[in-house]
Amino acid sequence: SQTIHQWPATLVQPVGSPLSLECTVEGTSNPNLYWYRQAAGRGLQLLFYSVGIGQISSEVPQNLSASRPQDRQFILSSKKLLLSDSGFYLCAAGLAITDTQYFGPGTRLTVL
Amino acid sequence: QKEVEQDPGPLSVPEGAIVSLNCTYSNSAFQYFMWYRQYSRKGPELLMYTYSSGNKEDGRFTAQVDKSSKYISLFIRDSQPSDSATYLCAMSENTGRRALTFGSGTRLQVQP
Repeated sequence: SQTIHQWPATLVQPVGSPLSLECTVEGTSNPNLYWYRQAAGRGLQLLFYSVGIGQISSEVPQNLSASRPQDRQFILSSKKLLLSDSGFYLCAAGLAITDTQYFGPGTRLTVL
Repeated sequence: QKEVEQDPGPLSVPEGAIVSLNCTYSNSAFQYFMWYRQYSRKGPELLMYTYSSGNKEDGRFTAQVDKSSKYISLFIRDSQPSDSATYLCAMSENTGRRALTFGSGTRLQVQP
């Protein structure tokens, strides 16, 4: 079974500062990888997905970006954070042959 | 209109009750249907996965999909206080993108 690691678990950043969130996956090869954001009391919003190394698709135009430097590593970045970037960020991994996705523990980001 | 509608609750039931959670959707192309459980400040955990219409049972949990009505349900028998969480429905089309569309979640409280 696959395990998804995310760090940091919590982060408090000032407006205008950079951001780097990391996700790594164990137990599977060539997974589809996803970044979601969950606002308080709301559903999950898909931000980025990747079907392979260097292949990133953006779902929502914004000041965030994603990269996949290795098969099982997915990074979410920003050059300058906005207040509206606050939220719970979740990394997920899915198998190409099914549509199930497995989630990491999440990173809670507060932008002040 | 949202693609997936889910009553946010909260839904409060006594221990031992049968719980019914539901989602409706508008996209007839959805073929894969999932239920996730999310405890406070944690990542979602996959509970049930169903392809197309029909029922699926796993222990105390039963998932039902009625594609003709665009309606899915999750039943929890003999509910326990440990079942208190937010339940998210999710679904996807049969495409390589394999991205899930989530409901906003129903918060369930099981009273001891």
